[in-house]
Amino acid sequence: KAGVTQTPRYLIKTRGQQVTLSCSPISGHRSVSWYQQTPGQGLQFLFEYFSETQRNKGNFPGRFSGRQFSNSRSEMNVSTLELGDSALYLCASSQGGLAGTNEQFFGPGTRLTVL
Amino acid sequence: KNEVEQSPQNLTAQEGEFITINCSYSVGISALHWLQQHPGGGIVSLFMLSSGKKKHGRLIATINIQEKHSSLHITASHPRDSAVYICAVPPYNTDKLIFGTGTRLQVFP
Repeated sequence: KAGVTQTPRYLIKTRGQQVTLSCSPISGHRSVSWYQQTPGQGLQFLFEYFSETQRNKGNFPGRFSGRQFSNSRSEMNVSTLELGDSALYLCASSQGGLAGTNEQFFGPGTRLTVL
Repeated sequence: KNEVEQSPQNLTAQEGEFITINCSYSVGISALHWLQQHPGGGIVSLFMLSSGKKKHGRLIATINIQEKHSSLHITASHPRDSAVYICAVPPYNTDKLIFGTGTRLQVFP
């Protein structure tokens, strides 16, 4: 089975722009979670989708949003980019149920740099 | 105080040494994850456990739910074990993972 894929792998944007990141889960996995990793804050949970519904959301401003499609692929969008949004964005998929109690399979991440 | 604490933050070892990384948490959970992150960012799930002990090759993970503590052990450490090890927990009734700050392990030949 192919692993979790994320596109693009690297992205450079300027402040005020918006960005869309994509995540394709392992075939058959219905849950996709998104995480932000920065040197200062470490790994933080953004949101989780299951069967096209957002089940959980972390403590991030409304500029961060996401969605999941019927084929379980997920996108996250960040609008009005700020310098502090520079980070590695990781997605992870799991088979279903509660993502916290299912093994998570991580993608390689998208490294976003905001100038 | 962070809800998930790891120790030590940094660890250096000689090849062959026995390694222990600790994780303590303050929230009620039903499972705990141990993750490995190599330079470049890729994260691999090592273990998910809710009780007792699990073993995979040279890696052993234990958890004591009552004491809210877990340990990750690496026997006969090797330079390829050099990575950041992260524990993560989903508090009860949520699906969010809360992460520890990670333990950076360097194993020298």
